[in-house]
Amino acid sequence: EVQLVESGGGLVQPGASLKLSCVASGFTFSDYWMSWVRQTPGKTMEWIGDIKYDGSYTNYAPSLKNRFTISRDNAKSTLYLQMSNVRSEDTATYYCTMATGGGVMDAWGQGASVTVSS
Amino acid sequence: DIRMTQSPASLSASLGETVNIECLASEDIYSDLAWYQQKPGKSPQLLIYNANSLQNGVPSRFSGSGSGTQYSLKINSLQSEDVATYFCQQYNNYPFTFGSGTKLEIK
Repeated sequence: EVQLVESGGGLVQPGASLKLSCVASGFTFSDYWMSWVRQTPGKTMEWIGDIKYDGSYTNYAPSLKNRFTISRDNAKSTLYLQMSNVRSEDTATYYCTMATGGGVMDAWGQGASVTVSS
Repeated sequence: DIRMTQSPASLSASLGETVNIECLASEDIYSDLAWYQQKPGKSPQLLIYNANSLQNGVPSRFSGSGSGTQYSLKINSLQSEDVATYFCQQYNNYPFTFGSGTKLEIK
């Protein structure tokens, strides 16, 4: 059974940095593209970006490219999202997803809640 | 970016009814469209991909159709467990984009 477990969320001050992790199990992590998606408190879904199975290539939403970085450690079956200079509008639930078929999100984690507030 | 316009925003229907949810893309997405179901308090789950392919384990009362810029999700014989918010998502072009969601309730 595919499992994706995010961690690292919480309350963070504006301008700070935060790193989310997603531990994968139940599939061969190094065979799959992975992505991050966030959902705002108003339920809007926003794709953040994705990373190739070997970590050699990433794509980002243009509005987030300068502040967010996606990486992975295939030896640890772990996906990361480094967030820098966070803003109140980054308040959201962040989901790790397993991507197949060029962008289909086959499996989702339970989500990590991030609140940006002073 | 490709804009995905989803309608209606909310929908109330009776058990056993058939409902349709629409998604309009701002340009041709060549059937690179997925539908997700998000039950209250849960993570989204994939229902349909490639516009009309049913994900393993998804009940056959769910179906997808469409091409070009217009797509739809149909739910036959509405069940109580179908109460959820439904999202469409295009993956034809980066950045991938989602519709704004349709909240489905039972009347």
